[in-house]
Amino acid sequence: AQKVTQAQTEISVVEKEDVTLDCVYETRDTTYYLFWYKQPPSGELVFLIRRNSFDEQNEISGRYSWNFQKSTSSFNFTITASQVVDSAVYFCALSKTSYDKVIFGPGTSLSVIP
Amino acid sequence: KAGVTQTPRYLIKTRGQQVTLSCSPISGHRSVSWYQQTPGQGLQFLFEYFSETQRNKGNFPGRFSGRQFSNSRSEMNVSTLELGDSALYLCASSLERGQGTDTQYFGPGTRLTVL
Repeated sequence: AQKVTQAQTEISVVEKEDVTLDCVYETRDTTYYLFWYKQPPSGELVFLIRRNSFDEQNEISGRYSWNFQKSTSSFNFTITASQVVDSAVYFCALSKTSYDKVIFGPGTSLSVIP
Repeated sequence: KAGVTQTPRYLIKTRGQQVTLSCSPISGHRSVSWYQQTPGQGLQFLFEYFSETQRNKGNFPGRFSGRQFSNSRSEMNVSTLELGDSALYLCASSLERGQGTDTQYFGPGTRLTVL
């Protein structure tokens, strides 16, 4: 069975600090997709990244970076120089194919304090 | 370019009634996905449609159904509402979900309250 664990329920950081959100997944599939989504206080989900299990290269997008490690079944998300606008709930997710049903983690609530 | 729209934004129903929610994707997008979000169960995948075909469905009872029209607009229906169906229902659209750099765009959601 597939499962996504986000052990950090809530995190608070001071603005400009770096923060890493952990994501550990379980799957028996040899190929799969991993995702990160952001849900700000407004409630509207924002898609951040999709990563195919074939591609273990880390990705950087501005202040965001993702570290995918198949050996530890982790797909961690780091925000560099955090800003107040980064305050949100972040969800990690897993699916077998790009359009298969997605299994979400419970989310990590990030508060960035000015 | 207009974003994903969902109607209605808020809805109050009573147990036993049925409800239909609508999602209009971004123009040109053919994939529409639906999600349910509750405090207890978190975010859960409902179903995904592409070119009027349901490609996958989450673990929800048959009371939850959906469809997609030729213009890619999608509706989901919940019959015989239960208190536990109270949730935020989110819809997302993409050109072809999961291909290359394809991005999902989410609507603001429909907040359903079942009394």
